Amino acid sequence: GENVEQHPSTLSVQEGDSAVIKCTYSDSASNYFPWYKQELGKGPQLIIDIRSNVGEKKDQRIAVTLNKTAKHFSLHITETQPEDSAVYFCAASRGSSGSARQLTFGSGTQLTVLP
Amino acid sequence: GAVVSQHPSRVICKSGTSVKIECRSLDFQATTMFWYRQFPKKSLMLMATSNEGSKATYEQGVEKDKFLINHASLTLSTLTVTSAHPEDSSFYICSARDPSRGFFNTGELFFGEGSRLTVL
Repeated sequence: GENVEQHPSTLSVQEGDSAVIKCTYSDSASNYFPWYKQELGKGPQLIIDIRSNVGEKKDQRIAVTLNKTAKHFSLHITETQPEDSAVYFCAASRGSSGSARQLTFGSGTQLTVLP
Repeated sequence: GAVVSQHPSRVICKSGTSVKIECRSLDFQATTMFWYRQFPKKSLMLMATSNEGSKATYEQGVEKDKFLINHASLTLSTLTVTSAHPEDSSFYICSARDPSRGFFNTGELFFGEGSRLTVL
């Protein structure tokens, strides 16, 4: 099955700096890579995702890159703000039309943005 | 946007009792829902896949008789923790797929807010 590794487990940055979280996956057939933000006591919220047919996607201060050859993908947050502080999870899945896509999650990264 | 609602958000029960957690998709129909368990400062562990109108598919190591899943309608799945014990205390999260959105029409996945179960 799929195995997703995520690093670092904790990350502290100064407000305004950039944060980068990296994940690797094992199943070369995985084709969908979402990132979730989980605030304390709440469920995960999708913040950005990328499909295997693109190498990079950006949404305002958040960007994700994917290297299929190396089987790793990364989340980049620029101009960090205190409200970015949360646990971030990467995930990977494979599937095609009609299949019930299951996600394999990374272990999570606790991001703390220091004011 | 799509919303998935869980109820209750917090529940405390005595050891030996059963607890039911509901997961509802509020503005879309979900043929598939997923149930996860999350320990403090840990990742989400998939427990089972809930399929509308059929039996749930459980992950290896998850007791079917302990964690009963029912997906009776296209908008509701329930997880019942039977004969709860303190070790069942955890954060349970459901997710549901909106089949109208997402890659290859398999649907974007939305998560509920989670249910904190404490068994005394």
